[in-house]
Amino acid sequence: EVRLVESGGGSVQPGGSLRLSCAASGFTFSDYWMHWVRQGPGKGLVWVARIDYDGRHTAYADSVRGRFTISRDNVKNTLSLEMDSLGGDDTAVYYCVRNNWGPDHWGQGTLVTVSS
Amino acid sequence: DVVMAQSPVSLPVTLGQPASISCRPSESLVSDDGNTYLNWFHQRPGQSPRRLIYKVSNRESGVPDRFSGSGSGTDFTLNISGVEAEDVGVYYCMQGTHWPPSFGQGTRLEIK
Repeated sequence: EVRLVESGGGSVQPGGSLRLSCAASGFTFSDYWMHWVRQGPGKGLVWVARIDYDGRHTAYADSVRGRFTISRDNVKNTLSLEMDSLGGDDTAVYYCVRNNWGPDHWGQGTLVTVSS
Repeated sequence: DVVMAQSPVSLPVTLGQPASISCRPSESLVSDDGNTYLNWFHQRPGQSPRRLIYKVSNRESGVPDRFSGSGSGTDFTLNISGVEAEDVGVYYCMQGTHWPPSFGQGTRLEIK
């Protein structure tokens, strides 16, 4: 069974940093591109970042480029999202998502709240 | 960026009746490789999204056959042949053909 379990969310002040992690199991992690997708409170889904099989190629939404860094460890089967210079617009549930002809399996999400 | 226009925003449906959701991207979703990367997702309240359909019309394993996807180019539809109580929630279309990937704004299905 494919499992994606996010962690690392929490409350942070504006301008602060946070690192999210996603533990993957039930599939060969290194065979798949991975994404982070977020959902603001009561809002729709927004793609944040993606990473290819070995982490050599990454891409970001304009709204997070230069502030967020996606990475992966194919030995530990983990996906990460380093978030810096956080602002109120970054408040959201962050989902770790596997790519298979598009996002197929989603984690349960981890909530990030940016507030003073 | 490709804008995914979904309609309707709200969809009240009587149990057992059919339902249809439209998704119209701002440009064609036919990729250079010939595929059309159009997905449909369902999100129940308090849950993560679940993919129903990929590449326009391919149902995910375990998705009931009352769900079907169709369309091409800039006009796509998700059909539910007979709505059941478990189908409530928000439905999203999403394109993966053009960079960056983009989602529709969602259609909330409720039971009348």
